Amino acid sequence: GDSVTQMEGPVTLSEEAFLTINCTYTATGYPSLFWYVQYPGEGLQLLLKATKADDKGSNKGFEATYRKETTSFHLEKGSVQVSDSAVYFCALNLPGGTASKLTFGTGTRLQVTL
Amino acid sequence: KAGVTQTPRYLIKTRGQQVTLSCSPISGHRSVSWYQQTPGQGLQFLFEYFSETQRNKGNFPGRFSGRQFSNSRSEMNVSTLELGDSALYLCASSLYQAKEETQYFGPGTRLLVL
Repeated sequence: GDSVTQMEGPVTLSEEAFLTINCTYTATGYPSLFWYVQYPGEGLQLLLKATKADDKGSNKGFEATYRKETTSFHLEKGSVQVSDSAVYFCALNLPGGTASKLTFGTGTRLQVTL
Repeated sequence: KAGVTQTPRYLIKTRGQQVTLSCSPISGHRSVSWYQQTPGQGLQFLFEYFSETQRNKGNFPGRFSGRQFSNSRSEMNVSTLELGDSALYLCASSLYQAKEETQYFGPGTRLLVL
């Protein structure tokens, strides 16, 4: 079935370091891909999305490119801040359906220290 | 525009009881989805409602049910609570005007079953 695989966390970085969180997916079609972020005690916030191959989503300095050939959607940021500490979820919508049925990865916790 | 709101934010119940959670979507959004988040299973899709009809359903027992009202507000109900139902329940809404419509999440209701 459709699935999303994320790198295990926690990822611990110093402020201003470069961030990569790997995400790969398995799907029977061409899904839309999303990154959501969850801060402690809160719900999920959409960080960025991409709806077709080679699309690049970007927001708040974060970027991810939809790579159909490697079925990947890795999240990157050039310089992380302490305020970026959170759990990051990669997700896809089921192809051929609606965006209402998201399949999530297990989440990657990011800790940024001074 | 106000975001997705969920009530109550926290709830404590005992085994065997039932519980009803409420979700008010973003104004104009007609699709409401529910997810369960636990440390062990991660984020799992429960069901989705659109125009008062359940359109998608995840792999949860019949103890989990929901409904949607004409104003798009939604409720989910869990009957005969079990310890394993302790989780963060997240509601998300979307416009549903395109296949890749984005879901916006509320802050969640944290349920503890004792």
